[in-house]
Amino acid sequence: NAGVTQTPKFQVLKTGQSMTLQCAQDMNHEYMSWYRQDPGMGLRLIHYSVGAGITDQGEVPNGYNVSRSTTEDFPLRLLSAAPSQTSVYFCASSYNLNGGGKDTQYFGPGTRLTVL
Amino acid sequence: SQKIEQNSEALNIQEGKTATLTCNYTNYSPAYLQWYRQDPGRGPVFLLLIRENEKEKRKERLKVTFDTTLKQSLFHITASQPADSATYLCALVQAGTALIFGKGTTLSVSS
Repeated sequence: NAGVTQTPKFQVLKTGQSMTLQCAQDMNHEYMSWYRQDPGMGLRLIHYSVGAGITDQGEVPNGYNVSRSTTEDFPLRLLSAAPSQTSVYFCASSYNLNGGGKDTQYFGPGTRLTVL
Repeated sequence: SQKIEQNSEALNIQEGKTATLTCNYTNYSPAYLQWYRQDPGRGPVFLLLIRENEKEKRKERLKVTFDTTLKQSLFHITASQPADSATYLCALVQAGTALIFGKGTTLSVSS
């Protein structure tokens, strides 16, 4: 198993550009989520999905879109990048969030994004 | 509002000592709590999960306690080693829909 993969590892954008951060998992997990991590702010939830076709907003969703057309993939779209979106982005997945140990989150390696 | 607080941003200890990290929460009634380790430049890695009816959980040199009255979890690393140096995060499940993290405590173990 490759686990959770994210591409690209690094990206530099100019203000106003759009891009998609890719996330894929091969563990047949229902639950997937996106976090951003900034110094002093910890991990903040952007969007999450409890299954294909179902997405919802987290703590900091503004400026980001998601979709979940398959169980495996959960891309994060930046529609018009802003310097405030400079951050490290992590994708995570788990079987569910219902307890019993199946909600252990598996994280990808992260994408380091800089918006100039 | 709901909060998860890890009291220390940084903790420095000597090799061989026990490191104790604290996680406090308010306005939650979690059924369980998780602890993760994060190394620089990498994603968090799951360490331990403790349920509300479990007072203590152990895994090798790691021990976690959970006091729902105090709304607090303590994470202990005994006989600490320089390789234990990392950031440690606690996390709670919010209403079965999302995992919310504390800001983390960065542990430095010196030899």
